[in-house]
Amino acid sequence: GAVVSQHPSRVICKSGTSVKIECRSLDFQATTMFWYRQFPKQSLMLMATSNEGSKATYEQGVEKDKFLINHASLTLSTLTVTSAHPEDSSFYICSAARGGSTDTQYFGPGTRLTVL
Amino acid sequence: QKEVEQDPGPLSVPEGAIVSLNCTYSNSAFQYFMWYRQYSRKGPELLMYTYSSGNKEDGRFTAQVDKSSKYISLFIRDSQPSDSATYLCAMSSESYNTDKLIFGTGTRLQVFP
Repeated sequence: GAVVSQHPSRVICKSGTSVKIECRSLDFQATTMFWYRQFPKQSLMLMATSNEGSKATYEQGVEKDKFLINHASLTLSTLTVTSAHPEDSSFYICSAARGGSTDTQYFGPGTRLTVL
Repeated sequence: QKEVEQDPGPLSVPEGAIVSLNCTYSNSAFQYFMWYRQYSRKGPELLMYTYSSGNKEDGRFTAQVDKSSKYISLFIRDSQPSDSATYLCAMSSESYNTDKLIFGTGTRLQVFP
């Protein structure tokens, strides 16, 4: 159990276009979802935390108007990279948490974004 | 100074060796300590978690936390080629469920037959 999927797994787009990435918890309800970004040979950096039905909380330095997060249901969160530029090329990973003090965050397989 | 420091490696060992992976940290508020394994182009998979100081063992894996030294370790016994991956340490201060996780850069491990 506790499977998280992401779609698409890989996307290549032109500079200036917007890209939407979906994160789904397949067999559990996620009270909280997280979006991370990982550049090559660097650690995962948290971008934002979202709870179902409320606005996302963004980390310092992350532009909320550029990285739009929608957590519309307990099983789906989306990240939209608006007007993508080459410097946005990265590996985007989501995680989902069920809640409960003894549980953990479950990570998705990631989405590789390449902006030309 | 980064909150979490981790040697990126790569660390190359023969099959059967004992592997030691380490992280140091600077934030004394961290209470939850985790080790994740990440295969190339995949999301991280939780291996071990520890609350506060102490040791925890699970099969071939042992996690150690020394809060006084702000130092955590992951030991892998009888390493296998299938253990080849990047190992990330992560920490949080409130809970490892709903709190922000701070990751190390990861250590790339290669176990050769």
